[in-house]
Amino acid sequence: DIQMTQSPSTLSASVGDRVTITCRASQSISTWLAWYQQKPGKAPKLLMYKASTLESGVPSRFSGSGSGTEFTLTISNLQPDDFATYYCQQYNDYSFTFGPGTKVDIK
Amino acid sequence: EAQLVESGGDLIQPGGSLRLSCAASGFTLSYYSMNWVRQAPGKGLEWISYISVRGDTIYYADSVKGRFTISRDNAKNSLVLQMTSLRADDTAVYFCAGGEAYFDKWGQGTLVTVSS
Repeated sequence: DIQMTQSPSTLSASVGDRVTITCRASQSISTWLAWYQQKPGKAPKLLMYKASTLESGVPSRFSGSGSGTEFTLTISNLQPDDFATYYCQQYNDYSFTFGPGTKVDIK
Repeated sequence: EAQLVESGGDLIQPGGSLRLSCAASGFTLSYYSMNWVRQAPGKGLEWISYISVRGDTIYYADSVKGRFTISRDNAKNSLVLQMTSLRADDTAVYFCAGGEAYFDKWGQGTLVTVSS
């Protein structure tokens, strides 16, 4: 199975900051990567798929990049609503795996 | 508004069985491949099962293979997860999630607690 890692595990930031989360795959997954945002007690919300395609309705301050084994999610101009946990997920094969998550909290 | 609603979560003893359901409203579930994803308390997300639109292709994570069965009833716009031989490490919130490979529709989740 493809293993996913994320760094950092926790990120402290302030409103207006630019933050970057890194996701790495144990083998190449081309651009078959999605990003989700999850708030406590809520279901995850799809932000991005195919590494860099923004889901409809997601603010343009979210952007994604990468291919192969290394990917990034960037949030520019961090907003109060963005404090949450972010997960990457590979879908290179039908053994979908998620990264362990990155919690973005308030500095 | 498109919505998925899970039900069936409960407190169950180790070795027991439980049936989870997922009902769709506001959209036609039969147009979507569907999945179950779980989240243990305070932990990350774990995909556990996939079923294709027609139900003829099914995949499971190794952690549940042979114990869990996914099925769907397109006529009833619903998805089912039959769980047997439950273990303490199956304790989690179980989400149904729509999508072929990434998941753009999610239910609110149902809690399964496996404990004596």
